[in-house]
Amino acid sequence: TQLLEQSPQFLSIQEGENLTVYCNSSSVFSSLQWYRQEPGEGPVLLVTVVTGGEVKKLKRLTFQFGDARKDSSLHITAAQTGDTGLYLCAGASRTGNQFYFGTGTSLTVIP
Amino acid sequence: ETGVTQTPRHLVMGMTNKKSLKCEQHLGHNAMYWYKQSAKKPLELMFVYSLEERVENNSVPSRFSPECPNSSHLFLHLHTLQPEDSALYLCASSQSTGRGELFFGEGSRLTVL
Repeated sequence: TQLLEQSPQFLSIQEGENLTVYCNSSSVFSSLQWYRQEPGEGPVLLVTVVTGGEVKKLKRLTFQFGDARKDSSLHITAAQTGDTGLYLCAGASRTGNQFYFGTGTSLTVIP
Repeated sequence: ETGVTQTPRHLVMGMTNKKSLKCEQHLGHNAMYWYKQSAKKPLELMFVYSLEERVENNSVPSRFSPECPNSSHLFLHLHTLQPEDSALYLCASSQSTGRGELFFGEGSRLTVL
């Protein structure tokens, strides 16, 4: 099992604040994905990062893949209530048939 | 619309019941997955199918029995479950195993009494 640890596990912030979520592992992944899951729904893909050191921006969200392809971060600028949800990172095994999911970060943005 | 539909959305069953969860994908994908999502635990991969052939079985108890009759349909047959099996069961598909984006269904919320 390739464990992905996310931190923090829970995060509650005011609208307009910035935040960073971390996803760490001792394993190397061929790619890493971030998903967001809202209550009563399945996770939805936000981004895929493939190259070590890669940075991708999606409006107010910035994703970074570590140089060694073992870790990643998600930074949200000026959080909005619509950002509330469970954020999951998932690593694609270099040799296997599956995606390994992180422990999840539950974000609540308070108006 | 996600392209992956799961039925039923909610299921309550006794420990002696037999029931099935159904998943259908309309995306032309070759890989389909069953995941279990419990509170305070990471998403747990249960089974992976590639072109209707099972390629992963992550030490799942035999009371869970998957079936993939074709590349568009995936079932999870449930028999003599335990209360600790109560969870959200998510089906997903992708272009091929371990590659590309996972498209998830909305899940089947299972409660075992």
